[in-house]
Amino acid sequence: EAGVAQSPRYKIIEKRQSVAFWCNPISGHATLYWYQQILGQGPKLLIQFQNNGVVDDSQLPKDRFSAERLKGVDSTLKIQPAKLEDSAVYLCASSFGGSFYEQYFGPGTRLTVT
Amino acid sequence: KQEVTQIPAALSVPEGENLVLNCSFTDSAIYNLQWFRQDPGKGLTSLLLIQSSQREQTSGRLNASLDKSSGRSTLYIAASQPGDSATYLCAVNGVTGGGNKLTFGTGTQLKVEL
Repeated sequence: EAGVAQSPRYKIIEKRQSVAFWCNPISGHATLYWYQQILGQGPKLLIQFQNNGVVDDSQLPKDRFSAERLKGVDSTLKIQPAKLEDSAVYLCASSFGGSFYEQYFGPGTRLTVT
Repeated sequence: KQEVTQIPAALSVPEGENLVLNCSFTDSAIYNLQWFRQDPGKGLTSLLLIQSSQREQTSGRLNASLDKSSGRSTLYIAASQPGDSATYLCAVNGVTGGGNKLTFGTGTQLKVEL
């Protein structure tokens, strides 16, 4: 069974530029999550989708971050414009359902903002 | 607000030793708890998932326990091997405004030496 796929794996941009990350969840998984992991910390949830609807985006900095999940399958997370403090690993996870199901994580995208 | 603490932050042991990693959380209203392993520069690998109604789960040399009332979980690793060297993250799955999310600890960095 294929795991969660993410691309790119690495990205270096200058501050004020824009960047987009892509995630393809495990086939059949209805729930998709984006987490941000700053060096030395545990991941922090940014947004949760159930199919193609947003369930929780309370911790997404909406002035610069946006995310979509068209057709309820793959998802894109965008940052525009980027700030230095956005340097982190962006992890995508998926689960079969919501609350009681195990979350499976992709390899992440390491973003460096200079 | 859920807070997750992991002790110790780092641990170095000789090969073959049995060891215990600790995780504590402040809000006992949880769906489940997951233990993950993270290798440097990699994503998260799920090790064990314990539902809130369960007391423990076992997988090979790993055993995780959950005491929801006291807000504690432990991960027991038997007969440690150099390949077990990684950062171990505890994550509590709790209720958000509209869905659920994992709240992570900052991890225990384990090094198993020959």
